[in-house]
Amino acid sequence: DAEITQSPRHKITETGRQVTLACHQTWNHNNMFWYRQDLGHGLRLIHYSYGVQDTNKGEVSDGYSVSRSNTEDLPLTLESAASSQTSVYFCASSESRDSTEAFFGQGTRLTVV
Amino acid sequence: AQKVTQAQTEISVVEKEDVTLDCVYETRDTTYYLFWYKQPPSGELVFLIRRNSFDEQNEISGRYSWNFQKSTSSFNFTITASQVVDSAVYFCALSEVNDYKLSFGAGTTVTVRA
Repeated sequence: DAEITQSPRHKITETGRQVTLACHQTWNHNNMFWYRQDLGHGLRLIHYSYGVQDTNKGEVSDGYSVSRSNTEDLPLTLESAASSQTSVYFCASSESRDSTEAFFGQGTRLTVV
Repeated sequence: AQKVTQAQTEISVVEKEDVTLDCVYETRDTTYYLFWYKQPPSGELVFLIRRNSFDEQNEISGRYSWNFQKSTSSFNFTITASQVVDSAVYFCALSEVNDYKLSFGAGTTVTVRA
């Protein structure tokens, strides 16, 4: 069965360190997204990609970067982790078709100490 | 820019009661898509329903029903005869035509007590 997986599921890191969260999907979807979930804010879009070599900033992109070198993967990098980036991160993918739903990974809980 | 508002932060009901979740949205597009997602305590996000802006027919699917009113920019979701397994955070979301990213509301936590 096709799926979308995130790794690691839990991560504790220190302030200032670079951290990369992995996202891999086997749906062959063109669209991939990274969201962060914080209490009171729902899910907010960090970065997204509509195809290989395409990346775009979302509403909370400062301090994050992504790259899309193939269809399956969209790693999210925190250049220099800050305590404000402690959150639960979700990766999602979808088809390039209006009204299609997005499929979400299990989430990564990141704690920056 | 689009915006989704879920004014209800938490709702607590006793099993078998009906639960209605409110969602109000803003968008400048005339064509857009609305979704409801469920996040149970295990943490994953599960797609529930979608509605296209050009189809205002309300529907029922099992214990779920939704009321889409374009005139008031609302997309409310009802769970009939709630069960303990319905306890979760429910998110309303919107995407615009040819733009696949979702804008989410803050979520409503539903607790169903036995």
